[in-house]
Amino acid sequence: GENVEQHPSTLSVQEGDSAVIKCTYSDSASNYFPWYKQELGKGPQLIIDIRSNVGEKKDQRIAVTLNKTAKHFSLHITETQPEDSAVYFCAADTNQAGTALIFGKGTTLSVSS
Amino acid sequence: DVKVTQSSRYLVKRTGEKVFLECVQDMDHENMFWYRQDPGLGLRLIYFSYDVKMKEKGDIPEGYSVSREKKERFSLILESASTNQTSMYLCASSWDRGPYNEQFFGPGTRLTVL
Repeated sequence: GENVEQHPSTLSVQEGDSAVIKCTYSDSASNYFPWYKQELGKGPQLIIDIRSNVGEKKDQRIAVTLNKTAKHFSLHITETQPEDSAVYFCAADTNQAGTALIFGKGTTLSVSS
Repeated sequence: DVKVTQSSRYLVKRTGEKVFLECVQDMDHENMFWYRQDPGLGLRLIYFSYDVKMKEKGDIPEGYSVSREKKERFSLILESASTNQTSMYLCASSWDRGPYNEQFFGPGTRLTVL
């Protein structure tokens, strides 16, 4: 089955710096790669996603890149702010009914001012 | 706004008890999911359901069962709770069986089994 590896597990940056989180997946049939952000005491929330027919997608300060050949995708956050501090999860679809997702283990991002 | 609610934020149970975790969504979503979240292990799928009375095993179904009698409600059942089931449990829902569906999560239930 699908396996998703996520690195790093923790990331500390200064406000204004960029942050990059990387994920690799194992199933070449996966077509959908969302990123979720979990703030303290809350459930994860989708922040951006990318489909396999697209190499890059951007939404203001966040962007995601996908390399299907190498089976890896990355989240890029520019001009980080303290409110970006959270746990970030990457995921890949499993092609099962109901669009189940397999999540990475998460990255705790800390942005210090 | 989509709302996914879970019956309790915190729950303390004893070993061997039968535990019910309830999840309700108000957006007529077809899919519902149960995950557990543990430090260093991320989110692991326990069970999911893509229709009323339908269920599919996720990655870690052992020790759990589920029930979906109504579209809006998905219950996770621990038949005989054990200490290794102490965890944060997250429920989620998504629109339909097609791909590219955002999952909407509830706030989670932190279960402690003593």
